[in-house]
Amino acid sequence: QVQLVESGGGVVQPGGSLRLSCAASGFIFSSYGMHWVRQAPGKGLEWVAVIWYDGSNTNSADAVRGRFTISRDNSQNTVYLEMNSLRAEDTAVYYCARPLAWGSGNYYNGIMLWGQGTLVTVSS
Amino acid sequence: QSALTQPPSASGSPGQSVTISCTGTSSDVGAYNYVSWYQQHPGKAPKLMIYDVSKRPSGVPDRFSASKSGNTASLKVSGLQAEDEADYYCCSYAGSNNLLFGGGTKLTVL
Repeated sequence: QVQLVESGGGVVQPGGSLRLSCAASGFIFSSYGMHWVRQAPGKGLEWVAVIWYDGSNTNSADAVRGRFTISRDNSQNTVYLEMNSLRAEDTAVYYCARPLAWGSGNYYNGIMLWGQGTLVTVSS
Repeated sequence: QSALTQPPSASGSPGQSVTISCTGTSSDVGAYNYVSWYQQHPGKAPKLMIYDVSKRPSGVPDRFSASKSGNTASLKVSGLQAEDEADYYCCSYAGSNNLLFGGGTKLTVL
């Protein structure tokens, strides 16, 4: 079964840290770039970060750059999002997501597969 | 980078057509043919409806169509059905390995 399953969400105090994991199955994980996308309660989708299929390149949105780090372990079919210096405005459901197409450069034309999301709440 | 601009709401009666716009700039929507559209029902993950400006993934009804002109992309839903009621988001590549989403449009089927 082709799926993505996120874990690691929870309640954290402002300034704290959290690491999200996303386990992939049912497809050749090492052939696809991966994204994290978030959605604050009652708000729209916001792209967070991307990592290339082999982990050789990453990028993140201005709102999280320097605080969040995306990484992957292709031997474990897992992508991670390390979140530091968390703020109240980082409160959101975080989705792990896979592009439509595999291979180098095929990261941005559409996101085909989404996880169920994991809720991160930053509050004292 | 600012989010792409979408109308907050749109509506139509069953059987009618509705078009949702998505306005960006010459650095995102206008620069690349990497516009995608997503449907999201309450409490659910988004679903890809359109990619590469106007292509439909397998399984998406042909009632959904899309196009782009200059810095504005558009999603048209024809023959509205009750199950089309959802939030719709556009997304565009914005260069330098960045993606940009629109603010979302709530589609109501009257």
